[in-house]
Amino acid sequence: QKEVEQNSGPLSVPEGAIASLNCTYSDRGSQSFFWYRQYSGKSPELIMFIYSNGDKEDGRFTAQLNKASQYVSLLIRDSQPSDSATYLCAVKSTTSGTYKYIFGTGTRLKVLA
Amino acid sequence: DTGVSQDPRHKITKRGQNVTFRCDPISEHNRLYWYRQTLGQGPEFLTYFQNEAQLEKSRLLSDRFSAERPKGSFSTLEIQRTEQGDSAMYLCASSTEPGSGTEAFFGQGTRLTVV
Repeated sequence: QKEVEQNSGPLSVPEGAIASLNCTYSDRGSQSFFWYRQYSGKSPELIMFIYSNGDKEDGRFTAQLNKASQYVSLLIRDSQPSDSATYLCAVKSTTSGTYKYIFGTGTRLKVLA
Repeated sequence: DTGVSQDPRHKITKRGQNVTFRCDPISEHNRLYWYRQTLGQGPEFLTYFQNEAQLEKSRLLSDRFSAERPKGSFSTLEIQRTEQGDSAMYLCASSTEPGSGTEAFFGQGTRLTVV
């Protein structure tokens, strides 16, 4: 089992729709959860982070965390073609004293104009 | 300070040559991470530093790879005797720990092509 799992996609949504991106993780000691956006050929850009169970909203983005289910998601409302990118889920665990960020393989999102 | 800076942005080298990359983190960040990313994959952890101390190395990191952060500021990643399989984007990230947040911010990356 991979430590952080994401569906590679592509996930295609029409412009203006809600895009829902999902991520599961295996380490119950994980404490911090991050979503990065990565355009082709570019480096990852942090867009959201969440530490507590529940929802966290920032503009068109909402991160959702359920530690009991080991599940984190990202909702993008009113999707725009400029949102087309790969979305990386990252998890940080302090289990065993390690502080590294562990990434999933990313979900490719296509927003269709 | 505008963020994490990496140099060079692109590097083409012949197989067997040594290469060195540099990363300048955000100035107040004491943690510095190196990752490697290949096409279609997420960033793969290589190593990280807290100040000048290298605290963890991935077991995937062969002895051809070495990283330093001598004064707790910038870091270098050296690859000796490069192989074609080393072709990838090398990403550096930094964060402040402990602190108000634990988010890591990435530099632009160094794209290595071994021919």
